[in-house]
Amino acid sequence: KAGVTQTPRYLIKTRGQQVTLSCSPISGHRSVSWYQQTPGQGLQFLFEYFSETQRNKGNFPGRFSGRQFSNSRSEMNVSTLELGDSALYLCASSLEGWETQYFGPGTRLLVL
Amino acid sequence: GESVGLHLPTLSVQEGDNSIINCAYSNSASDYFIWYKQESGKGPQFIIDIRSNMDKRQGQRVTVLLNKTVKHLSLQIAATQPGDSAVYFCAENPKTSYDKVIFGPGTSLSVIP
Repeated sequence: KAGVTQTPRYLIKTRGQQVTLSCSPISGHRSVSWYQQTPGQGLQFLFEYFSETQRNKGNFPGRFSGRQFSNSRSEMNVSTLELGDSALYLCASSLEGWETQYFGPGTRLLVL
Repeated sequence: GESVGLHLPTLSVQEGDNSIINCAYSNSASDYFIWYKQESGKGPQFIIDIRSNMDKRQGQRVTVLLNKTVKHLSLQIAATQPGDSAVYFCAENPKTSYDKVIFGPGTSLSVIP
């Protein structure tokens, strides 16, 4: 069974731009969570989607948003990028949300 | 607030020795814990999990111990190998519902050949 995939793997943007990241969960998994990972803050939870609905949300500003499609694929969007948004963005999927999460390789975003 | 923390941010062990990575959690309501391994350039990879009704769980070369009295979790790696070099995260689910998973800051394990 294919693992979690994320595209693109690397991205360079400038301040003020917006970015959309994509995540395809493991087949059959309905929950998709997004995390931001930085050296200083570690893994921080952004939000979780289940059946196209945002079920949980972390403490991030409204510039961070996401959505989930009927096939469970998910996208996250960051608008008005700031230098501090440079990070590895990880997507994780699980069957229903509370079990073991399986992570993708991440998208490394650099904001200049 | 709720948090999961690690006692040791870095750990160096000799190849063949056993490694012990520790983790403290603060939410006594948590009933599901997971250890992840993250190698450079990759996403976290599931290693082993344990539920709060258990004290110990063993996998292949790994053992997780849970001490609910002191809210402490540990990961033991037997006969540590160079391939075990990575950052290890503990994570907790506050309860078996849909609450978000909370990750600790991670411990970097370096295996000396």
